[in-house]
Amino acid sequence: NAGVTQTPKFRVLKTGQSMTLLCAQDMNHEYMYWYRQDPGMGLRLIHYSVGEGTTAKGEVPDGYNVSRLKKQNFLLGLESAAPSQTSVYFCASRKWEGLIQETQYFGPGTRLLVL
Amino acid sequence: AQSVTQLDSHVSVSEGTPVLLRCNYSSSYSPSLFWYVQHPNKGLQLLLKYTSAATLVKGINGFEAEFKKSETSFHLTKPSAHMSDAAEYFCVVSDKKDTGFQKLVFGTGTRLLVSP
Repeated sequence: NAGVTQTPKFRVLKTGQSMTLLCAQDMNHEYMYWYRQDPGMGLRLIHYSVGEGTTAKGEVPDGYNVSRLKKQNFLLGLESAAPSQTSVYFCASRKWEGLIQETQYFGPGTRLLVL
Repeated sequence: AQSVTQLDSHVSVSEGTPVLLRCNYSSSYSPSLFWYVQHPNKGLQLLLKYTSAATLVKGINGFEAEFKKSETSFHLTKPSAHMSDAAEYFCVVSDKKDTGFQKLVFGTGTRLLVSP
């Protein structure tokens, strides 16, 4: 049981390049999230998914796209990277328990540097 | 809208002394509150959570937090700091009103430094 894993761990991009970050979870969780973490700002929600085939925007969605083709995977795409997207990206997942606030489980993060 | 304020960006303690990390929240509804810890270059790990049961919540590694509605606070404490406690700590609020979607709002973090 690996929990939440993220690929890659670190990446350097040039402005305008594209890339995809992969998040995988083996806990059969319905909900998945992508956050970005910037110094002094805590974590901010980029996009989320409440189930296979569904996605929705979070607080800071601009410049990102996501897809959830399989329940266990949640992909975050950058079509044209910008220096402002230099950040640490975290994926999280949780199971659905109605109104009970279940714990979100986080991956180890992906460090992205855009030059 | 809900929000979280972590009152200290850095807290320094000596090993073996008590730890207090302060958190105030704002929420329109009865909130769920969490403390997460992040060790250097690692993901976030849940320390403890409050979901309207007992107001004193015990977590892992000897940490606990008390929910005080009158003060809108959820401070994190530990009686005796250990070197391994050095990390960044995040106070997080979730709006229990949401019908399924759990929106977490993170504080800006408190870095705990532990000296020998």
